[in-house]
Amino acid sequence: GNSVTQMEGPVTLSEEAFLTINCTYTATGYPSLFWYVQYPGEGLQLLLKATKADDKGSNKGFEATYRKETTSFHLEKGSVQVSDSAVYFCALSKGGGSNYKLTFGKGTLLTVNP
Amino acid sequence: KAGVTQTPRYLIKTRGQQVTLSCSPISGHRSVSWYQQTPGQGLQFLFEYFSETQRNKGNFPGRFSGRQFSNSRSEMNVSTLELGDSALYLCASSPLTGASGNTIYFGEGSWLTVV
Repeated sequence: GNSVTQMEGPVTLSEEAFLTINCTYTATGYPSLFWYVQYPGEGLQLLLKATKADDKGSNKGFEATYRKETTSFHLEKGSVQVSDSAVYFCALSKGGGSNYKLTFGKGTLLTVNP
Repeated sequence: KAGVTQTPRYLIKTRGQQVTLSCSPISGHRSVSWYQQTPGQGLQFLFEYFSETQRNKGNFPGRFSGRQFSNSRSEMNVSTLELGDSALYLCASSPLTGASGNTIYFGEGSWLTVV
């Protein structure tokens, strides 16, 4: 079946540090890949997505590139801010009949200190 | 454009009771899905509805059920509540068409505590 493995953390960084959260997946075919962010006490917000190999998703300074050869979708940001502190989830959805079901990683807690 | 709206946001129930949670999808979105989030199991898919039909179901017992109405609004029900059902229940909707057809948007969730 489909699965997502992501760096569990927690990750603690100083403001303006470089961020990488690793995410790898297992799925047949060509899934769509997503990063969601969850701030304390809130639901999930879509951060970025990529729907085919070599696509780069980007939003709010965050980037992730869909790497088919390494089945990876690592999240990066060049300079984190205190406001980026949250839990980050990598997820995939498969095409076809299960297209509307997301499979999530376990989440990575990021804390950014001033 | 309003986002996915879930009610109630917080509720406390007693073991053995039942609960109904409600979800209004983003206007124009026809697919509605539900997820359970717990510290131990993470985010798990419950079920997905489209045009009032359940198309996908996760690995949850029959105590968990749902339905979708003709206006795409959805409800989920949990009967005979157990302590382990305490969780954040997230509703999500998807447009199914266009460039973002396969993107799933989440609501703020309903926090259920079973005591």
